[in-house]
Amino acid sequence: NAGVTQTPKFQVLKTGQSMTLQCAQDMNHNSMYWYRQDPGMGLRLIYYSASEGTTDKGEVPNGYNVSRLNKREFSLRLESAAPSQTSVYFCASSEASSGLSGANVLTFGAGSRLTVL
Amino acid sequence: SQQGEEDPQALSIQEGENATMNCSYKTSINNLQWYRQNSGRGLVHLILIRSNEREKHSGRLRVTLDTSKKSSSLLITASRAADTASYFCATALYSSASKIIFGSGTRLSIRP
Repeated sequence: NAGVTQTPKFQVLKTGQSMTLQCAQDMNHNSMYWYRQDPGMGLRLIYYSASEGTTDKGEVPNGYNVSRLNKREFSLRLESAAPSQTSVYFCASSEASSGLSGANVLTFGAGSRLTVL
Repeated sequence: SQQGEEDPQALSIQEGENATMNCSYKTSINNLQWYRQNSGRGLVHLILIRSNEREKHSGRLRVTLDTSKKSSSLLITASRAADTASYFCATALYSSASKIIFGSGTRLSIRP
């Protein structure tokens, strides 16, 4: 069981370039998430997808787009990268969005380190 | 600003001592979760407490939740060197249980 797989693990971009971070989970989870973590900071929610076919903005969505390609895959796109988007990006998934059942516990990928010059 | 703020930002204790970390949040929640992150790695789920629960235990971990004060605490008893990590609280909002917001974290160092 691979869990949550993110690609690439490392990427260096120049300002203005575009790229897509890929995320796939093999746990049949319904909800998927993208977070960013800056040095010494907590995680900030960029976008999330509560279920296949839906996406919603998180705390810091500006400069990003997402696609929930199918139940397994959730991609994050930077259309025109900026130095402020230098960060470590984490994808996560959860079984469901129901909070009281405890089914919204997150499983994380290993992270993608992005540097924008 | 982030939903959750943690206190202290950094904590250094002797091995064998207990470590307590606090989390405060701003809006009503569905549940509150604690995660651990070892340096340079992804986050790992530790424990979840629902909004209708007040205390939960898991091994050496004890979590409390006070919804009237919008706060939670994580207690790690009999700390070990392997507990050295950053600890984050995360809240699932009452209005949308799938929207999970993280706090700023506490960096815990265990001195041998």
